[in-house]
Amino acid sequence: DGGITQSPKYLFRKEGQNVTLSCEQNLNHDAMYWYRQDPGQGLRLIYYSQIVNDFQKGDIAEGYSVSREKKESFPLTVTSAQKNPTAFYLCASSIDGAGGRGEQFFGPGTRLTVL
Amino acid sequence: AQSVAQPEDQVNVAEGNPLTVKCTYSVSGNPYLFWYVQYPNRGLQFLLKYITGDNLVKGSYGFEAEFNKSQTSFHLKKPSALVSDSALYFCAVRDKRGNTPLVFGKGTRLSVIA
Repeated sequence: DGGITQSPKYLFRKEGQNVTLSCEQNLNHDAMYWYRQDPGQGLRLIYYSQIVNDFQKGDIAEGYSVSREKKESFPLTVTSAQKNPTAFYLCASSIDGAGGRGEQFFGPGTRLTVL
Repeated sequence: AQSVAQPEDQVNVAEGNPLTVKCTYSVSGNPYLFWYVQYPNRGLQFLLKYITGDNLVKGSYGFEAEFNKSQTSFHLKKPSALVSDSALYFCAVRDKRGNTPLVFGKGTRLSVIA
């Protein structure tokens, strides 16, 4: 999946727990993104980052947090404030910024289930 | 604001027949347009993109798409469908002006029947 790894592949969370999803890329891409995928709703942008130590909220950032301390890493934390976190989470990266002409490369995804 | 619509949730086609997956978009300026494919429980794979120039764009696995500015469309096509083309297809757009990320459509599920 294009040099982007996500772990774990499956994740189970109890109510009230925070969990962190890992995303690493070895493509030397500047920009990284987190999306949430629900059946019939397509991809919705959670957060994105165009440079280290900087990130912007997407359309559905409430209940999520991110960090970008290294160029190759963009972890996503799903907090207990996220009321309906069960979904398929996709990480992506692109060589140029969010508004550039470069395509995004996607990781294999993490399926999060709240028990 | 930018948006993209995929008017068909599901497209069924017989193997060997041509296929079309529709996409229309809305941007303030000129668009960058993309098509991706997703197989079950996998990430998205890039198929092709329109940046500028020739309106007919050729991509991976024999797919192509035609940019039509007057109809604000970017339909995905393939002359002869394969059963292995069965998957979920996403169209995405971003405005060339500004610095906003891609906006994705809701996806179209393609089923190719042998």
